[in-house]
Amino acid sequence: AQRVTQPEKLLSVFKGAPVELKCNYSYSGSPELFWYVQYSRQRLQLLLRHISRESIKGFTADLNKGETSFHLKKPFAQEEDSAMYYCALDSNDYKLSFGAGTTVTVRA
Amino acid sequence: ETGVTQTPRHLVMGMTNKKSLKCEQHLGHNAMYWYKQSAKKPLELMFVYNFKEQTENNSVPSRFSPECPNSSHLFLHLHTLQPEDSALYLCASSQDSASGAGELFFGEGSRLTVL
Repeated sequence: AQRVTQPEKLLSVFKGAPVELKCNYSYSGSPELFWYVQYSRQRLQLLLRHISRESIKGFTADLNKGETSFHLKKPFAQEEDSAMYYCALDSNDYKLSFGAGTTVTVRA
Repeated sequence: ETGVTQTPRHLVMGMTNKKSLKCEQHLGHNAMYWYKQSAKKPLELMFVYNFKEQTENNSVPSRFSPECPNSSHLFLHLHTLQPEDSALYLCASSQDSASGAGELFFGEGSRLTVL
């Protein structure tokens, strides 16, 4: 069985400060990892996926198979980054498993 | 209307009622999902339909009954629910991929309150 852990429920940073959201997973196969984001009053949507290896809205995430982690990072947080972030794992059988989510608040 | 649409957005029902949640996707996808989002808990996958066939029933109680008449529509029929079933029910769709679910596109959810 696969499992996704986001150890931080709440994360508060100042505008312009770096932000890192932690995600660890357990899965015996070759995983595909995602970060989803939910802004206030908006639907849950994809932020980025590890196979695309791209930066979205300044965010990056690197899959570390040795540490079974997929942490989300941004060097300079903006107020519009305040949202709920979910790490998710696709075990290649249509079961996308989500972590509990991290609420990020960026303060001016 | 584009994307994934869920109705109703809010529903209040008694434990003896029968109601249904509806989901419609206009993206041409062939996989649809029901997720349950409760406070302080991870998103829980309930049901998966791929090419209209149910491929996943994640140990969901029988008081929840899904129906997928075609690849664009998904229903969740509710019967004799319990107060602990109160939650946000999210529908999502994705395009079939050999490597798995791919990107999920979510609806805005149906907020269910069971009295």
